Amino acid sequence: EVQLVESGGGLVQPGRSLRLSCAASGFILDDYAMHWVRQAPGKGLEWVSGISWNSGNIDYADSVKGRFTISRDNGKNSLYLQMNSLRAEDTALYYCAKDISFDSTYSFFDYWGQGTLVTVSS
Amino acid sequence: EIVLTQSPGTLSLSPGERATLSCRASQSLSRSYVAWYQQKPGQAPRLLIYGASNRATGIPDRFSGSGSGTDFTLTINMLEPEDFAVYYCQQYGSSPFTFGQGTRLEIK
Repeated sequence: EVQLVESGGGLVQPGRSLRLSCAASGFILDDYAMHWVRQAPGKGLEWVSGISWNSGNIDYADSVKGRFTISRDNGKNSLYLQMNSLRAEDTALYYCAKDISFDSTYSFFDYWGQGTLVTVSS
Repeated sequence: EIVLTQSPGTLSLSPGERATLSCRASQSLSRSYVAWYQQKPGQAPRLLIYGASNRATGIPDRFSGSGSGTDFTLTINMLEPEDFAVYYCQQYGSSPFTFGQGTRLEIK
């Protein structure tokens, strides 16, 4: 059974940093691209970032480019999101999502975690 | 960036009826790279349809997708009580991958 478990969310002040993690199990992480998708409270879905199976292809939404860094450790079955210079508008539930392919060029998501909540507030 | 506009914002129907949800793209989507997701309160989204018309694993055949170019449709036949939720379309033909704002399907 595929499982994605996010962690690392919490309350953080504007301008500070936070690192999210996603523990994957039930499938071979090396075989798939992975993504972060967020959902602000009461709002819709926003794709944040994606990374190919070997980290060779990485992309970001314009809203986070230059502030967020996605990475993965296939040996540890883990995906990460380093979030710097956080803003109030980054407040959201952050989902880890599995791609259907090893490549992240044309991506949709067949499994999702339950999300970790990030709140940016002073 | 490709903008997806879903309509209607809210759809009120009764169990047993048919639901028709629309998703319009700001530019033509090559190879019909559109997916649909269902999200219930407090839950993560669930993949329903990909490639505009292909059902994901385990999705009942009352769910169907169609469309091409800029106009795509999700149809749910014979609504069941568990189908009342929010539905999102997503385009994956070009980055950034974008979602529509969602259609809320509520019980009439």
